[in-house]
Amino acid sequence: SSELTQDPAVSVALGQTVRITCQGDSLRSQSAGWYQQKPGQAPVAVMFTQNIRPSGIPDRFSASNSKDSASLTIAGAQAEDEADYYCNSRDSTGNQVVFGGGTKLTVL
Amino acid sequence: EVHLVQSGGAMEQPGGSLRLSCAASGFNFDGYSMHWVRQAPGKGLEWVAVISGKSESTHYADSVKGRFTISRDNSKNSVYLQMTSLTIDDSALYYCTREYDSGWPNIDYWGRGTLVTVSP
Repeated sequence: SSELTQDPAVSVALGQTVRITCQGDSLRSQSAGWYQQKPGQAPVAVMFTQNIRPSGIPDRFSASNSKDSASLTIAGAQAEDEADYYCNSRDSTGNQVVFGGGTKLTVL
Repeated sequence: EVHLVQSGGAMEQPGGSLRLSCAASGFNFDGYSMHWVRQAPGKGLEWVAVISGKSESTHYADSVKGRFTISRDNSKNSVYLQMTSLTIDDSALYYCTREYDSGWPNIDYWGRGTLVTVSP
């Protein structure tokens, strides 16, 4: 399987825009999805692959892919967006799923 | 409403075995692939295995291949994870999850998780 790399921590001022990135060889051929996890809770999908936003997720969440990287952008970050964010994709073989190490987002 | 109710987590010694169960409701179970994802305490998410809706195919993470077996019983709307040759590194919260319509790796529903602790 391949790996996905994320910055361990990112911070953003309330109401500002933040980008969380994910890098890995598998992203050259596979799209990335994104999951939000708050302490003590199960993860929640905030973006599926192919930039499909799940029902109920605010449109301030958007995603993009480029070459070997993917990004999740939160426009106008809110206090409730403070959480860990994980990217995932299929690996290069298409037979396994890989998750990034996670990014802890702090909203200041 | 989709529900994934998990059971089977426990404390086990290294080298031992455990079977996790996940009972699903609220959707057409055999129409969906199911995944297990785990999370060690204080760590990130790790994908474990997937099984297709009618058990035609299964895939595993390298870290569990040959030791874990995913299976399902569509007559019981249940999916299982048989874990053998457990190591300390298998200690984690194991989530039963449902794959989104568009296919994997998209996961749209997660169970609450069941805790597996492997300790001497």
